[in-house]
Amino acid sequence: SYELTQPPSVSVSPGQTASITCSGDRLGDKYACWYQQKPGQSPVVVIYQDTKRPSGIPERFSGSNSGNTATLTISGTQPMDEADYYCQAWDSSTGVFGGGTKLTVL
Amino acid sequence: QVQLQESGPGLVKPSETLSLTCTVSGGSISSYYWSWIRQPPGKGLEWIGYIYYSGSTNNNPSLKSRVTISIDTSKKQFSLRLSSVTAADTAVYYCARHRGLSDYGNFDSWGQGTLVTVSS
Repeated sequence: SYELTQPPSVSVSPGQTASITCSGDRLGDKYACWYQQKPGQSPVVVIYQDTKRPSGIPERFSGSNSGNTATLTISGTQPMDEADYYCQAWDSSTGVFGGGTKLTVL
Repeated sequence: QVQLQESGPGLVKPSETLSLTCTVSGGSISSYYWSWIRQPPGKGLEWIGYIYYSGSTNNNPSLKSRVTISIDTSKKQFSLRLSSVTAADTAVYYCARHRGLSDYGNFDSWGQGTLVTVSS
């Protein structure tokens, strides 16, 4: 079965750039999206179709996807961005999530 | 603004069948895919399966044949049945909407989630 791999944790200082990776076999041939989940809340999509931001998502969130790796980049990270982030893609009509990355802003 | 609401028992006994319903309001159930996703306490997200408004389905192979997803478009509801549950099925269960299985495969609307505990 298809797997997506994320680092368990990433730390960043306020105002700096955070990058969270998601690796999978030929992931660049698929569309990747990213979800932000804060404690006790449902996930919210922050990036879809590799690079697109839904309305209401700040411009500091951006995405890329090439080769075997998709990357979520948060520029000028703010304390409110501290959350769990999950990548997701579809493989043969089966939904797949990465294991999640806890972003700490300190 | 579409809203999704999960409903069903919060406690299920081992070996029994978990049954949940998701009610869609504020939008159409047609022309969309509808998925169930779960999250064990303190762990990550796991996709369970989807149903298209026309009735076609697909499930996570890891759950094998334990999953049944159905839809009632007249009631704007879709449902999940998970049979032979064990403690490992204890999780927050979410329902979610998506437009496709590739470029529009992102889950753009989620329910608030409902905790289902498997215990005797």
